[in-house]
Amino acid sequence: KAGVTQTPRYLIKTRGQQVTLSCSPISGHRSVSWYQQTPGQGLQFLFEYFSETQRNKGNFPGRFSGRQFSNSRSEMNVSTLELGDSALYLCASSLDQRQFDEQFFGPGTRLTVL
Amino acid sequence: AQSVTQLGSHVSVSEGALVLLRCNYSSSVPPYLFWYVQYPNQGLQLLLKYTSAATLVKGINGFEAEFKKSETSFHLTKPSAHMSDAAEYFCAVSRTGANNLFFGTGTRLTVIP
Repeated sequence: KAGVTQTPRYLIKTRGQQVTLSCSPISGHRSVSWYQQTPGQGLQFLFEYFSETQRNKGNFPGRFSGRQFSNSRSEMNVSTLELGDSALYLCASSLDQRQFDEQFFGPGTRLTVL
Repeated sequence: AQSVTQLGSHVSVSEGALVLLRCNYSSSVPPYLFWYVQYPNQGLQLLLKYTSAATLVKGINGFEAEFKKSETSFHLTKPSAHMSDAAEYFCAVSRTGANNLFFGTGTRLTVIP
């Protein structure tokens, strides 16, 4: 079974631009979560989608948004990029949304904002 | 609110020595706890998880962790370190009623030959 895939793997943008990252979960998984990883703040939860609905949201500004499609694929969008948005963005999928469900992580998209 | 604290951002051990990575949790209710490993330029891989079924949890690659409620700890151990264990390790707790994870700050493990 194929793992979680994220595209693109690397991205370079300039301040003020917007960016869209894509995540394809493991087949059959209905929950997709997004995390931001930076050296300073560590791993932080962005949001989670389940059956096309945002179920939970972390403490990030409204510039960060996401969506999930009927095939469970998910995208996240960051508008008006800032230097501090440079990070590794990780997507994780799980079979369901239960508290003990294992989350399977993709390799991440490394975003650099210049 | 749930949170975890990892003591020691860097740990170095000799090959063949015991690995001990520390994690303490804070939770108002019985938590679900996880240990993940991250190799360079890769995502996170689950090592093991505690879901209240047993206090001693065995995971992949010879790792195990013991849930100690009295100490609010969930330390990760491996009897004998291997060079391939060099990576960053994250302890995490899941939010009550949801499966999003709160991660510790991570511990980078170096294995000295």
